[in-house]
Amino acid sequence: GAGVSQSPSNKVTEKGKDVELRCDPISGHTALYWYRQSLGQGLEFLIYFQGNSAPDKSGLPSDRFSAERTGGSVSTLTIQRTQQEDSAVYLCASSSPPGTPSSIEKLFFGSGTQLSVL
Amino acid sequence: AQKITQTQPGMFVQEKEAVTLDCTYDTSDQSYGLFWYKQPSSGEMIFLIYQGSYDEQNATEGRYSLNFQKARKSANLVISASQLGDSAMYFCAMKTSYDKVIFGPGTSLSVIP
Repeated sequence: GAGVSQSPSNKVTEKGKDVELRCDPISGHTALYWYRQSLGQGLEFLIYFQGNSAPDKSGLPSDRFSAERTGGSVSTLTIQRTQQEDSAVYLCASSSPPGTPSSIEKLFFGSGTQLSVL
Repeated sequence: AQKITQTQPGMFVQEKEAVTLDCTYDTSDQSYGLFWYKQPSSGEMIFLIYQGSYDEQNATEGRYSLNFQKARKSANLVISASQLGDSAMYFCAMKTSYDKVIFGPGTSLSVIP
């Protein structure tokens, strides 16, 4: 596709259930980012993948959160035993490989997944 | 620690006037990049402008310009001739030397007719 695709767009779940959020980046983009945005707040960094390198997981808030990226493309963010405080919009972004000319040095964002934990 | 600070939670500007949104950053990296994104009420993240740490000239994109003061570690966004459609949240962000990108808390801009 032409842009970053996230699914589902909305997810309602019960407290204690596990959820999986999917991100399909722009073809050829080696970098993939996950952010969490609570209502009215800024973007909280969660995790960053760059090519085949080990991901930067420094933003994951607890061990209930994990993410993987298969084949350097699609990524899945998994939240286990969801809590009400996990309710937020989860945004995925991708960008072109390092060394790209600065004229296209930017993140392309998906539309996000609105997660509601009841 | 790397951090982005935006000290203005909310700003108001009269239509057709210019407005400056403040952003300061903290990093020990020599090479980094600075971005501004706009997020209207629809939630979409819209790229506005980018400045590399080694770029000698301030970046400009149409009505947007970035006032980059490296020694002060500031990267303020200037919007000229404000329009009603400029009402949105504005986020300053920094790409570190490891290509990790962190965002500031944002500034809510309201354009008054």
